[in-house]
Amino acid sequence: GDSVTQMQGQVTLSEDDFLFINCTYSTTWYPTLFWYVQYPGEGPQLLLKVTTANNKGISRGFEATYDKGTTSFHLQKASVQESDSAVYYCVLGERSNMGYKLTFGTGTSLLVDP
Amino acid sequence: EAAVTQSPRNKVTVTGGNVTLSCRQTNSHNYMYWYRQDTGHGLRLIHYSYGAGNLQIGDVPDGYKATRTTQEDFFLLLELASPSQTSLYFCASSDGTVSNERLFFGHGTKLSVL
Repeated sequence: GDSVTQMQGQVTLSEDDFLFINCTYSTTWYPTLFWYVQYPGEGPQLLLKVTTANNKGISRGFEATYDKGTTSFHLQKASVQESDSAVYYCVLGERSNMGYKLTFGTGTSLLVDP
Repeated sequence: EAAVTQSPRNKVTVTGGNVTLSCRQTNSHNYMYWYRQDTGHGLRLIHYSYGAGNLQIGDVPDGYKATRTTQEDFFLLLELASPSQTSLYFCASSDGTVSNERLFFGHGTKLSVL
C-alpha cells in the first residue's frame, strides 16, 4: 500500500528563521500530496495541496513542492513566526476502487522561539 | 466551514469494557474516517466509509468495528477494550471528489483504557 515517511520529528527555530521539512512517499497510484497542520487542542486542518510536479502550492507564506524523480515533497517558509508553532503532517492521497483515503506521515513538531 | 462533531470528548474505561465513539457531520459529505493519533505514529487510519451502510478497512483495523448508519453518523466500536487502544481518536469527513478532497476533522476523543 501507499506510505509516506517523515523523518524530522521535532524542529526548533527562532523567529525569522527559514523552515524546511521534507517527506518521501511510495505509491502505485498517481499521487495527490498535501500538508496538514495541527494546533494544540485541535484536529488537523489543510495547509495546502501540492498540485503537480514542479508546481508550488502556496498558502499563508508556506510553499510546497514535490519531486517526482525522487518521490519526495517539501514544505518551506522563508521566515517563521512564533504563531507557526504546531505539528505539520505530510499526507498522501490515494484514490482506488475502495474509495478515497489519506495516509499521514508521523508529523514534525515545530517550536518557534520568540 | 464544515462541521464535524465528536462525542464524548473524554472517555475512561477498563480493560474488556465496551466503548462507542460517535461522530456526526452536517456537510453532506460522502466520506467519513476514523483515525487514531499516537506519539511517534502520527495519525493512522482505522476505518472509513463512503456512504451509509458502507465500510472500508483502514490500516490499523484490529480490535475495532465501525458502522455508518446514515450519511451524517459514523460510529467506532471497541467491544473488548485493551490498554493499547488508549489514544486520541479523530473523526473526519470529506466530499472526496477530485476537486474537493479536503478532510475536515473533529476536535477528537481522548480514550483511556485502564
